[in-house]
Amino acid sequence: EDQVTQSPEALRLQEGESSSLNCSYTVSGLRGLFWYRQDPGKGPEFLFTLYSAGEEKEKERLKATLTKKESFLHITAPKPEDSATYLCAVQALGAGGTSYGKLTFGQGTILTVHP
Amino acid sequence: DAGVTQSPTHLIKTRGQQVTLRCSPKSGHDTVSWYQQALGQGPQFIFQYYEEEERQRGNFPDRFSGHQFPNYSSELNVNALLLGDSALYLCASIRTGTLGQYFGPGTRLTVT
Repeated sequence: EDQVTQSPEALRLQEGESSSLNCSYTVSGLRGLFWYRQDPGKGPEFLFTLYSAGEEKEKERLKATLTKKESFLHITAPKPEDSATYLCAVQALGAGGTSYGKLTFGQGTILTVHP
Repeated sequence: DAGVTQSPTHLIKTRGQQVTLRCSPKSGHDTVSWYQQALGQGPQFIFQYYEEEERQRGNFPDRFSGHQFPNYSSELNVNALLLGDSALYLCASIRTGTLGQYFGPGTRLTVT
């Protein structure tokens, strides 16, 4: 069974204090790993898709990296508007290499950035 | 280009009642997935619809059913509501052949 574990559960930073969020995963065959941002009471907002170990993607102050067992979301010089819950999810390859799109999510990391 | 839309935004129901939630996918997207997100948890996959048929299902009871229409919009139906069904219900749309899944704003269901 596919599993995703995120750590820490909550992270409090000062504005400008860089840090990383961790996503550990177990999947039979990885089709893709996804990062989403979710504001309270709203739907997840897509950030990145990573496909293979060694891949990196960047967007503004965020950088996502992927290894065979985990992914990191690095936040450089965060601002208060980066405060949100960050969700990690995996999509597995099915039998015969098919993949219909089921995402398995972690429980999320709640990030709070203080001014 | 309109994103994924869901209706209603909020809903309050009583135990034992039935509810229908609606989703319209992004333009050009033909696949819809439904997720349930309890407070403080990550979304849990309910099922996925493609070509008007249920293609994949998560660990949810038969009380949860769905439908997809020819215009790709979708409905989620939940019968015999339980207090534990209170959650944010999310719809995600996908274009066949791509990986990106885009979520709607969700419907907040409260069962009393």
